[in-house]
Amino acid sequence: DADVTQTPRNRITKTGKRIMLECSQTKGHDRMYWYRQDPGLGLRLIYYSFDVKDINKGEISDGYSVSRQAQAKFSLSLESAIPNQTALYFCATKAGSTDTQYFGPGTRLTVL
Amino acid sequence: GENVEQHPSTLSVQEGDSAVIKCTYSDSASNYFPWYKQELGKGPQLIIDIRSNVGEKKDQRIAVTLNKTAKHFSLHITETQPEDSAVYFCAAFRYKLSFGAGTTVTVRA
Repeated sequence: DADVTQTPRNRITKTGKRIMLECSQTKGHDRMYWYRQDPGLGLRLIYYSFDVKDINKGEISDGYSVSRQAQAKFSLSLESAIPNQTALYFCATKAGSTDTQYFGPGTRLTVL
Repeated sequence: GENVEQHPSTLSVQEGDSAVIKCTYSDSASNYFPWYKQELGKGPQLIIDIRSNVGEKKDQRIAVTLNKTAKHFSLHITETQPEDSAVYFCAAFRYKLSFGAGTTVTVRA
């Protein structure tokens, strides 16, 4: 289903460029998350937000920033992309009263 | 922080056979353990979960067991089918989800 959408789905960029990945959700969830997936490492949390005014760093936030523009929108920025940020990026959402996180389809980012 | 280890990293089974994936966690205060299935080109999708006050849960061909004392939990898939081929992730939750590295399951026809 398309309750959680991510744009773009694929992006190739060069070292030093600024990149923004966007996530939108129609689930009405208050909590949103950004994860990075690398082969053999599973998913690692970059940033998370419990509401528009509450943003928190995850385990690998260095080199990334986020913006929660509205309850339904959560963007991830790479201010100056570097090759080791090449990865799959996933957005997820969760209602505060439940346990389940719902993931978007992912963005494949390649930094040359 | 929480550390989740997942084994095996790859698993090949004959269609109709069972598949078992095992995970261990380090933080005894973790209280929620979901399993996600990720198909090619898609995001992870929850397939089953278990809370720390339950030892076993089953949903059709999928079951999860939890041993709190040993701090490990397992996913069991019976009567495997080709559509079970995917990457499976376990996770443990305390304040945040910590994921295992994933298991690539291939079901041979």
